[in-house]
Amino acid sequence: AQTVTQSQPEMSVQEAETVTLSCTYDTSESNYYLFWYKQPPSRQMILVIRQEAYKQQNATENRFSVNFQKAAKSFSLKISDSQLGDTAMYFCAFTSYNQGGKLIFGQGTELSVKP
Amino acid sequence: EAGVVQSPRYKIIEKKQPVAFWCNPISGHNTLYWYLQNLGQGPELLIRYENEEAVDDSQLPKDRFSAERLKGVDSTLKIQPAELGDSAVYLCASSFEGDRGYEQFFGPGTRLTVL
Repeated sequence: AQTVTQSQPEMSVQEAETVTLSCTYDTSESNYYLFWYKQPPSRQMILVIRQEAYKQQNATENRFSVNFQKAAKSFSLKISDSQLGDTAMYFCAFTSYNQGGKLIFGQGTELSVKP
Repeated sequence: EAGVVQSPRYKIIEKKQPVAFWCNPISGHNTLYWYLQNLGQGPELLIRYENEEAVDDSQLPKDRFSAERLKGVDSTLKIQPAELGDSAVYLCASSFEGDRGYEQFFGPGTRLTVL
């Protein structure tokens, strides 16, 4: 069975600095998708960034980038120039064709950006 | 473009009472998901619809939970009777079949408190 693990329950970072959130996963499939979702205190889950496993190039969205290590089954999120609005719960998630799009989430990392 | 709409946002009921949640997905999205999110945890899938067909309901506690998606658009999730352990946030999400990246758009959720 596929599993997603986030080993950092809480993280904090100073405004304008860089922070990295960790995620590992376990799967026997070779073609799958990985996501980082952000859930602010208002609870609307928002997609931050997406990575297709068959792509070797790491995905980047403005200040957000990932370090995708397929062999190590690692998928970390780097937030550069952290802003107060980045304060939220961050969830790593996995899906694949075999899962039919069902997202398997990690436990989440609560990120606090301090002024 | 309107996002995923859920109602009510909050619901407080006594145990053993019935409760229903409603979801209106993004227009044109044929896939609809109901997730359960316990406090401090990542969401877990309850049921997935492809149009009006429930294609994955393996994690839906069918003795007390039921769901429907008439006409392949709006969906209702019902609990009868509710138990104390059902207190959680119920999230609805939708996606478009043509998006092979399985990006899902989430609603704000319904926070259920069972007393």
